[in-house]
Amino acid sequence: QSVLTQPPSVSGAPGQRVTISCTGSSSNIGANYDVHWYQQLPGTAPKLLVYGYSNRPSGVPDRFSGSKSGTSASLAITGLQAEDEADYYCQSFDSSLSGYVFGAGTKVSVL
Amino acid sequence: QVQLQESGPGLVKPSETLSLTCTVSGGSVSSGSYYWSWIRQPPGKGLEWIAYIYYSGTTDYNPSLKSRVTISVDTSKNQFSLKLSSVTAADTAVYYCARADYSMRFDPWGQGTLVTVSS
Repeated sequence: QSVLTQPPSVSGAPGQRVTISCTGSSSNIGANYDVHWYQQLPGTAPKLLVYGYSNRPSGVPDRFSGSKSGTSASLAITGLQAEDEADYYCQSFDSSLSGYVFGAGTKVSVL
Repeated sequence: QVQLQESGPGLVKPSETLSLTCTVSGGSVSSGSYYWSWIRQPPGKGLEWIAYIYYSGTTDYNPSLKSRVTISVDTSKNQFSLKLSSVTAADTAVYYCARADYSMRFDPWGQGTLVTVSS
């Protein structure tokens, strides 16, 4: 059980907006440690999607955006597309565990 | 651009030591800007950070694995390696190597290699 809590799944129709939450605590997100998001397409390695809460690497569409509020972070996908079907993971540092931690992942399905 | 490639046995017996190597191309493990990391993913499950090493030899380990893990770097071969001792079936996973910067964002990742622990 991860210290970063994500919903197991979210779904939406093409074109819709979905959000994935990553709920932490005062020993990780609430302590202002960076939060990064990864996309893992089926059968492939994870890929960096958003870093430092809200920054996108070159090549990542602006349909993907990240934010932070208090002890939680969120990833939003607008204009949902079939190719966005994947698992999404948040990641941060936890001072209580003294290590880098990932959320359990959220499966995004496009209806 | 930088590419990483994992290599090593795909099958390890229980109680033995798992050994993997990550070869870096298009960049140098001696770069002072990056931390070289290992992350694993059991089949059908989530991601778990294992360890990182800096080119100078500075290391950090996941406390839950620290007693069994050794990470090392070979700058002459532009590689870094992972050893995990006393493995059990619970160590069966896809093992990824990745580069991280100061903020510990992992990018890029290797393609991953499946290691199965079984007799």
